[in-house]
Amino acid sequence: NAGVMQNPRHLVRRRGQEARLRCSPMKGHSHVYWYRQLPEEGLKFMVYLQKENIIDESGMPKERFSAEFPKEGPSILRIQQVVRGDSAAYFCASSPPGRVRNEQFFGPGTRLTVL
Amino acid sequence: SQQGEEDPQALSIQEGENATMNCSYKTSINNLQWYRQNSGRGLVHLILIRSNEREKHSGRLRVTLDTSKKSSSLLITASRAADTASYFCATERGAGGTSYGKLTFGQGTILTVHP
Repeated sequence: NAGVMQNPRHLVRRRGQEARLRCSPMKGHSHVYWYRQLPEEGLKFMVYLQKENIIDESGMPKERFSAEFPKEGPSILRIQQVVRGDSAAYFCASSPPGRVRNEQFFGPGTRLTVL
Repeated sequence: SQQGEEDPQALSIQEGENATMNCSYKTSINNLQWYRQNSGRGLVHLILIRSNEREKHSGRLRVTLDTSKKSSSLLITASRAADTASYFCATERGAGGTSYGKLTFGQGTILTVHP
């Protein structure tokens, strides 16, 4: 059972470009979470999705950021018109379905650098 | 201060010694989890302790939870150089036994174990 997969691992964009980050949850997991980690800081929650639904996006900036988790395929975190402040490591985590939550399994992260 | 604060911020010990890290939080929780992150890498889940548990062991790890003080501690016994990493506590909020999986991370404790 492969772990959570994220790609790309490293992404370099110039200001104003778009960044698309992909996350494939573990097999059988239907909950996906995105977190952002700035240098020397802890992770900050961005968004929580289930298949085809956004459950909680309270941590995601209102503008330029969007996330989806379609019925088929990976979850996508999309950042439009990137700025230097978007440079960070973006981690995706997944957990299995069910009312009682368990540990979240994290992917290796995508390190976004905005030039 | 914020939910999930670790103390100390940095800890430096010799191989073979024990390492204790503390975490405080503010709101009621469903569970508290400890994660480890090696420099520039993803997070590895170490242990989860639920709000109705007081102590949990996993190998050389011992976690305690005091919900009355809203605090937790992580003890690593007989430390090894390979334990060098950042350690984060993360809380999952809950009310009435339900939660939605959003984790709130602290800033982390940087542990250095010298050979």
